[in-house]
Amino acid sequence: GENVEQHPSTLSVQEGDSAVIKCTYSDSASNYFPWYKQELGKGPQLIIDIRSNVGEKKDQRIAVTLNKTAKHFSLHITETQPEDSAVYFCAASMNTGANNLFFGTGTRLTVIP
Amino acid sequence: EPEVTQTPSHQVTQMGQEVILRCVPISNHLYFYWYRQILGQKVEFLVSFYNNEISEKSEIFDDQFSVERPDGSNFTLKIRSTKLEDSAMYFCASSVSRGRHNEQFFGPGTRLTVL
Repeated sequence: GENVEQHPSTLSVQEGDSAVIKCTYSDSASNYFPWYKQELGKGPQLIIDIRSNVGEKKDQRIAVTLNKTAKHFSLHITETQPEDSAVYFCAASMNTGANNLFFGTGTRLTVIP
Repeated sequence: EPEVTQTPSHQVTQMGQEVILRCVPISNHLYFYWYRQILGQKVEFLVSFYNNEISEKSEIFDDQFSVERPDGSNFTLKIRSTKLEDSAMYFCASSVSRGRHNEQFFGPGTRLTVL
């Protein structure tokens, strides 16, 4: 089955700096890569996603890049704010069957004011 | 904005007892999922459900687990005889379809503690 690895496990940045979280996946059949943000006591919330037919997608301060050849994808957050502090999960899905998501281990991002 | 809801938020049970975790998916969604997250570990897929039957299940989803959509709104996960290792956060999710976006919307979770 699919195996998603995520790094780093924790990340601290100063407010206003950029944060980058990286993930790799193992199965070349995966073609959908969402990123979720999980705040304390809440379920994961989808913040951005990318499909395998594009290499980059941007939504305001967040962007995701995908390298299909290397089987890795990254989340970039620019101009970080304290409210960006949360646990971020990458995931991969194969768009077959019921499209269950395979999650990475999560990155705890702390933005220091 | 419509959201997935789950009850209870926290369930404490004795080992060997049966528990039922409840979810109300977003009303026009057709695909339903259960995931779990053991403390400090990654979110793991358990089962997906469509058209009143299981679409896919993981190795974790053994005979102790079952899912049901008893009416038009609720989606439940039953653990027949809980074990200590079932202690985890259980998330329900739903999606409109498995096509266009695959976007799965997650509920806030139920924290299950087995003593």
